[in-house]
Amino acid sequence: DVVMTQSPLSLPVTLGQPASISCRSSQSLVNSDGNTYLNWFQQRPGQSPRRLIYKVSNRDSGVPDRFSGSGSGTDFTLKISRVEAEDVGVYYCMQGTHWITFGQGTRLEIK
Amino acid sequence: EVQLVESGGGLVKPGGSLRLSCAASGFTFSTHTMNWVRQAPGKGLEWVSSIIGSSSSVYYADSVKGRFTLSRDNAKNSLYLQMNSLRAEDTAVYYCTRDSYTTLSHFDYWGQGTLVTVSS
Repeated sequence: DVVMTQSPLSLPVTLGQPASISCRSSQSLVNSDGNTYLNWFQQRPGQSPRRLIYKVSNRDSGVPDRFSGSGSGTDFTLKISRVEAEDVGVYYCMQGTHWITFGQGTRLEIK
Repeated sequence: EVQLVESGGGLVKPGGSLRLSCAASGFTFSTHTMNWVRQAPGKGLEWVSSIIGSSSSVYYADSVKGRFTLSRDNAKNSLYLQMNSLRAEDTAVYYCTRDSYTTLSHFDYWGQGTLVTVSS
């Protein structure tokens, strides 16, 4: 199985400051079709997960542009340019190139 | 508006069975791969199973293979997960999710989840 490793696991951030979450895979996520199936999800307290980013860097409809995804191969990053109170929750990366596996999650809290 | 509504969760004894349902609306159900993802209490997300739109292919995580059966009824816009030989470690919230065929990507929509508790 492809192992997805996120860091940090806990991320205290001051309102208005940037935040960055790293996700590393144990194998390259470049698929034979040329796509890289790496998604990011946000799970606010008490809610279902919500997809933010698909295929590394494509933002889903309705997702604020302060969220951005980047990376390639085995190293990926989710960045929030200016953290707002509504961003509190757990963030997961997920790969869909080699079956489907999720990272452990990163808990973002306001400092 | 895309909606996924799960039902069928509850308390069941180890070794028992349960059938989860997911009612879909707001999109052409038959053209989308559908999935179940679960989350144990206080834990992360785990993919469980996926089924292609035509039901021609079904996939399972190793942890549920041979015990769970995924099916769909495109005429009823519904997805089903038959869970047999349930174990304590199957306790989780089970989410119904959709794949997008326009962007060729996984899990663009999620339901609210249904809780399955396996305990004596």
